[in-house]
Amino acid sequence: EVQLLESGGGLVQPGGSLRLSCAASGFTFNNYGMSWVRQAPGKGLEWVLSISGSGGRTYCADSVKGRFAASRDNPLEMVYLQMNSLRAEDTAIYYCAKVSGNWGPAFDFWGQGTMVTVSS
Amino acid sequence: EIVLTQSPDTLSLSPGERATLSCRASQTVNNPFLTWYQQRPGQAPGLLIYGTSNRAAGVPDRFSGSGSGTDFTLTISRLEPEDFAVYYCQQYTGSPPYTFGQGTKLEIK
Repeated sequence: EVQLLESGGGLVQPGGSLRLSCAASGFTFNNYGMSWVRQAPGKGLEWVLSISGSGGRTYCADSVKGRFAASRDNPLEMVYLQMNSLRAEDTAIYYCAKVSGNWGPAFDFWGQGTMVTVSS
Repeated sequence: EIVLTQSPDTLSLSPGERATLSCRASQTVNNPFLTWYQQRPGQAPGLLIYGTSNRAAGVPDRFSGSGSGTDFTLTISRLEPEDFAVYYCQQYTGSPPYTFGQGTKLEIK
């Protein structure tokens, strides 16, 4: 059974940093890309960032370019989202999602999400 | 970047009725790359339909997807109480970025 468990969310001041973690299990981790998708309160889904199965390639949304970065530890079956220079508009639930291939086309499993609040 | 527009924003129906949700793309989306998700209140999204018309594991056959080019449809043939949720379409062009539609909220009338 595929399981994804995010952690690391919380309250952070504007300009601050936070690192989210996602623990994966139940599939051959290094065969699949992983992504982060966020959802602002009462809003829709927004893709944030994806990392390839090997960890050698990442893509990110323009809204977080230069501020957010993804990494993964394949032996530990963990994926991380480093968020720097946080802004109020980054406030959202952050979901870790398994990609159905290396890059797509779908997010076939999702974690339960971790809430990030950026506020002074 | 391909923009997905879902309609309607909110659909009010009764259990037992048929629901038809639309997803229109600003450019052609290849059929393998159109996906639908269901998000129940307070829960994470879940994969519903992939490759335009393939049901994900465990999805009841009252859910069906269709379409091509720029127009795609999610149909729920006979609504059950657990189907009242928000539905998102999502597209993929072969590499990121991925884009989602704004969502259609299916509510009980």
